Amino acid sequence: KAGVTQTPRYLIKTRGQQVTLSCSPISGHRSVSWYQQTPGQGLQFLFEYFSETQRNKGNFPGRFSGRQFSNSRSEMNVSTLELGDSALYLCASSLGDRNSYEQYFGPGTRLTVT
Amino acid sequence: AQRVTQPEKLLSVFKGAPVELKCNYSYSGSPELFWYVQYSRQRLQLLLRHISRESIKGFTADLNKGETSFHLKKPFAQEEDSAMYYCALHSDSNYQLIWGAGTKLIIKP
Repeated sequence: KAGVTQTPRYLIKTRGQQVTLSCSPISGHRSVSWYQQTPGQGLQFLFEYFSETQRNKGNFPGRFSGRQFSNSRSEMNVSTLELGDSALYLCASSLGDRNSYEQYFGPGTRLTVT
Repeated sequence: AQRVTQPEKLLSVFKGAPVELKCNYSYSGSPELFWYVQYSRQRLQLLLRHISRESIKGFTADLNKGETSFHLKKPFAQEEDSAMYYCALHSDSNYQLIWGAGTKLIIKP
């Protein structure tokens, strides 16, 4: 099976702009989780989508949003970018049910905000 | 509250020495625990899970419910073990993985 893919891999944006990141899960996986990874804060959970519905949400401001399509692909959007949003954004897919929650990670999108 | 604590941000040991990465958890139910590893320039990947009681790359981890711990151990560290290690707890109340802050392991030659 193909692994989790994320596009783009690198992105440079300016403060105030918005950005959309994309994640394609492993075929058959219905759950997609998004994380922000920074050296100082480690892995921070953003949100999780399952069957096109947001099922869980972390403690991030409303500038961070996401969605999931019928083919389980997911996008994450950050509006009004701030310097502090510079990070590696990871997505992870899983089957998403109670007995199959092992997560498989993508390579990440490195976002730099200048 | 559900919580995973990795008390060491950085752990540095010499090659050939034993290594133990600590993980403590707080969870009211029956825990399912994992260790994930992220090598330099590679994606985060599952190292092992407690229910399978397996040894991967020489690493083992035993769930100690009395001490609410799931420490990762290896008797003889190798340079290729240098990586970021995360402990995670599965919460069956909301399908999430609860993550520790991570420990950066450096193996000195």
